[in-house]
Amino acid sequence: AQSVTQLDSQVPVFEEAPVELRCNYSSSVSVYLFWYVQYPNQGLQLLLKYLSGSTLVESINGFEAEFNKSQTSFHLRKPSVHISDTAEYFCAVGISSGSARQLTFGSGTQLTVLP
Amino acid sequence: EPEVTQTPSHQVTQMGQEVILRCVPISNHLYFYWYRQILGQKVEFLVSFYNNEISEKSEIFDDQFSVERPDGSNFTLKIRSTKLEDSAMYFCASRTGTANTGELFFGEGSRLTVL
Repeated sequence: AQSVTQLDSQVPVFEEAPVELRCNYSSSVSVYLFWYVQYPNQGLQLLLKYLSGSTLVESINGFEAEFNKSQTSFHLRKPSVHISDTAEYFCAVGISSGSARQLTFGSGTQLTVLP
Repeated sequence: EPEVTQTPSHQVTQMGQEVILRCVPISNHLYFYWYRQILGQKVEFLVSFYNNEISEKSEIFDDQFSVERPDGSNFTLKIRSTKLEDSAMYFCASRTGTANTGELFFGEGSRLTVL
């Protein structure tokens, strides 16, 4: 079985400061890795994903995450955050399990950007 | 942009009552999922559905739960006799049949409150 650990439940940060949201996973098989974001009163939206190839993946709104196999990590970073980035961020791992790949989620990190 | 839609957005019910949560997945998707998130806890996998049958289910998905796709567009989750601990946000998700995209598309969730 696989598991995901998000080490920080709450991350407050000032606007325009850099931020890193940490994610570690464990799995006995190869995994796919995802970051989902949940804005207040909305559903889960895919932010970025690692399936294969380059270990550094980027989103359209300036976030990036790097897959580090040796450290089993997939930390999310942004060099300069905005108020609008305030949301809950979920790291998730997926494996191919027959035809019905499911995701295992971490417990989430609430990012609060302060003015 | 196509999206997964869920109804109702919020339902309040008495313990012991039956509840049906409805989802309309993205039209060309083939795999369907239900997840739930108890307040303050992780997003947890409940069940996956493909080709009109359950593909996988978690230990949470016991006999009080059932899913069906009655008309080729809706995907429903039925909870037969609700308990207090069923209070949660329930997310529907779907994905294409493409083997390696990995991405699940989530709805905005249905909040169930059991009194």
